[in-house]
Amino acid sequence: EDQVTQSPEALRLQEGESSSLNCSYTVSGLRGLFWYRQDPGKGPEFLFTLYSAGEEKEKERLKATLTKKESFLHITAPKPEDSATYLCAVRDNYGQNFVFGPGTRLSVLP
Amino acid sequence: DTEVTQTPKHLVMGMTNKKSLKCEQHMGHRAMYWYKQKAKKPPELMFVYSYEKLSINESVPSRFSPECPNSSLLNLHLHALQPEDSALYLCASSQEGSGGSYEQYFGPGTRLTVT
Repeated sequence: EDQVTQSPEALRLQEGESSSLNCSYTVSGLRGLFWYRQDPGKGPEFLFTLYSAGEEKEKERLKATLTKKESFLHITAPKPEDSATYLCAVRDNYGQNFVFGPGTRLSVLP
Repeated sequence: DTEVTQTPKHLVMGMTNKKSLKCEQHMGHRAMYWYKQKAKKPPELMFVYSYEKLSINESVPSRFSPECPNSSLLNLHLHALQPEDSALYLCASSQEGSGGSYEQYFGPGTRLTVT
C-alpha cells in the first residue's frame, strides 16, 4: 500500500529564513510525486511534478528535489505570502489515484 | 490555461434536499476526479472518471452519485446527506494518455454545509 508522510506538521519562519519541508513515501513503482500549495478554503494549486530520483524543479523561491525515498521542498528567503499548507502526493504505476500526505502548515512572519 | 471551474461556491442544504455540484474543464483532460476535504486534512478521493467512464469508486455512500455527461463536465448529485458530509468538495482533472502528464489540476471547491 502506498504511503506518504510529511514533516514537520507545522513550521513558523521569519521572513527571509530559509528552510525545507520533507515528504517521505513508499510506493510500488513511482509514476510521479507531486507538490501542491493550498490556501485556507481554496483548492490545491499545482507546483511541481517529479518523476525520478535526482530530479529537481524550481519556481521562484521554491525548489523541489527527489530521492528514492523522499522529496524536499526548499523555500529560500520566504515571504509572508508563502504562508499556506504544502501537500505532497504520489501516484504509482498501477492506478490513477493520488495518495496525499497530511501536509505541512507553513507560516511566514513579517 | 489550467482552469477548473466549480459551481456553486457555497451550498447549504437540509438532510432531505437534493442538490448537484458541477465541475467543468476545457483543457482536453481525459480524467476527472471528485474529492472530499475536511478541515486540516488532505483531500480524500471519492470518484475517478477516465475517458468518461467511472473507473474508481472509493466505497462512497450511495447518497453521493457522480455523473460525467461529457469529457468536459462532471457532476456530483447529492441526496439525503448527513451533517458529517459537510466539507469542501473538490473537483480535479488530469491529462492522462500516452505521453500525457499526470498532475491533477484542482478547482476552487464547493463549501457544503448540511443542516
